[in-house]
Amino acid sequence: NAGVTQTPKFQVLKTGQSMTLQCAQDMNHEYMSWYRQDPGMGLRLIHYSVGAGITDQGEVPNGYNVSRSTTEDFPLRLLSAAPSQTSVYFCASRNRISTATNEKLFFGSGTQLSVL
Amino acid sequence: EDQVTQSPEALRLQEGESSSLNCSYTVSGLRGLFWYRQDPGKGPEFLFTLYSAGEEKEKERLKATLTKKESFLHITAPKPEDSATYLCAVPLARGSNYKLTFGKGTLLTVNP
Repeated sequence: NAGVTQTPKFQVLKTGQSMTLQCAQDMNHEYMSWYRQDPGMGLRLIHYSVGAGITDQGEVPNGYNVSRSTTEDFPLRLLSAAPSQTSVYFCASRNRISTATNEKLFFGSGTQLSVL
Repeated sequence: EDQVTQSPEALRLQEGESSSLNCSYTVSGLRGLFWYRQDPGKGPEFLFTLYSAGEEKEKERLKATLTKKESFLHITAPKPEDSATYLCAVPLARGSNYKLTFGKGTLLTVNP
């Protein structure tokens, strides 16, 4: 069982370049989300989705776009990268309705992004 | 505004030296408090969920407790493999319990 898979693991961009961070899960989870993690800031929610075709903004959505065309995939797009977007990005998923056995968020291993 | 504050930021222990990590929160209508462990270069890994004051959960050398204003993660006789960053999180206001706001974490180092 692969769980949550993120690609690439590392990426270096120049200011103004665009790219897409990929996230895929094989657990049939309705809820998927993107977080960024910065030193001294903790994990902050960027965007989330509760199912195919449904997305919404989190705490820090500016500069990022998302779409959810399938249950499995939730890509994060940077349209014009800025140095402030240098961070480690994590994708996470879980079932939307929690019970005692499915309340946990499953995280990917992260993408380390540097914008020069 | 909802907040999650963890203390201390960093903690160094000798193997076998028990201690506690703190997570205080200000959120109305708590819909769960979550603890995660994060190893360097990896994503957070779920440890516990607590829902009501007085609740306790245990896993190996870890025990999490919850009051109306804070949660503690007690580490009994820690081993070097318990070294990690420990994160607590609560659901964002006006959302379901899948949108979490995280504290900044406590970096635990256990020396042999």
